[in-house]
Amino acid sequence: EIVMTQSPATLSVSPGERATLSCRASRSLRSNLAWYQQKPGQAPRLLIYGASTRATGIPARFSGSGSGTEFSLTISSLQSEDFAIYYCQQYNHWPGTFGQGTKVEIK
Amino acid sequence: QLQLQASGPGLVKPSETLSLTCAVSGDSITSTSHYWGWIRQPPGKELEWIASINYSGSTYYNPSLKSRVAISVDTSKNQFSLKLSSVTAADTAVYYCARTIFGVVPYFDFWGQGTLVTVSS
Repeated sequence: EIVMTQSPATLSVSPGERATLSCRASRSLRSNLAWYQQKPGQAPRLLIYGASTRATGIPARFSGSGSGTEFSLTISSLQSEDFAIYYCQQYNHWPGTFGQGTKVEIK
Repeated sequence: QLQLQASGPGLVKPSETLSLTCAVSGDSITSTSHYWGWIRQPPGKELEWIASINYSGSTYYNPSLKSRVAISVDTSKNQFSLKLSSVTAADTAVYYCARTIFGVVPYFDFWGQGTLVTVSS
């Protein structure tokens, strides 16, 4: 099974600052990686698929990059509504696996 | 606006069968573009895909759960359901239903709110 490792576990960022989250896979995924955002008490929301394509309605301050085994999600200027947990998910190798999440908290 | 609402008992006894239903509104479950699936998250653990189904009943299961899982669809009610048999405490989790994009391996473009199911006597 493909292991997805996210880092850091917690990221403390001030509003307006840039945040970069990492996701590493134990085998190459090509570009078959998705990012999700989850706020407390809410369902996860798809942000990025195909490693770098924003889902419908996702603001341009969210961007994804990477291929193979190393991926990142960047939030260019953190807004108050962006403080949440972010998960990556690989969908290249059956049956698909998620990372353990990175919590983005207010500094 | 697409909405998925999971429902079912919040408490299930060990060895019994967990049953959940997801009601879909704002989209037709007969869409040929999508599958519909279940994902769970045990407390403090990663998200885990369980199973997905399309309108015609084509199903895919996570091999780790396949022997205990059944997913079904009711197009007349625009809903789909999950049954997980022989549950143990390890099946305690928040269960989410989600619209599924299925190429070779699924990912999920819209999620419902999730429902906590606790397995306990």
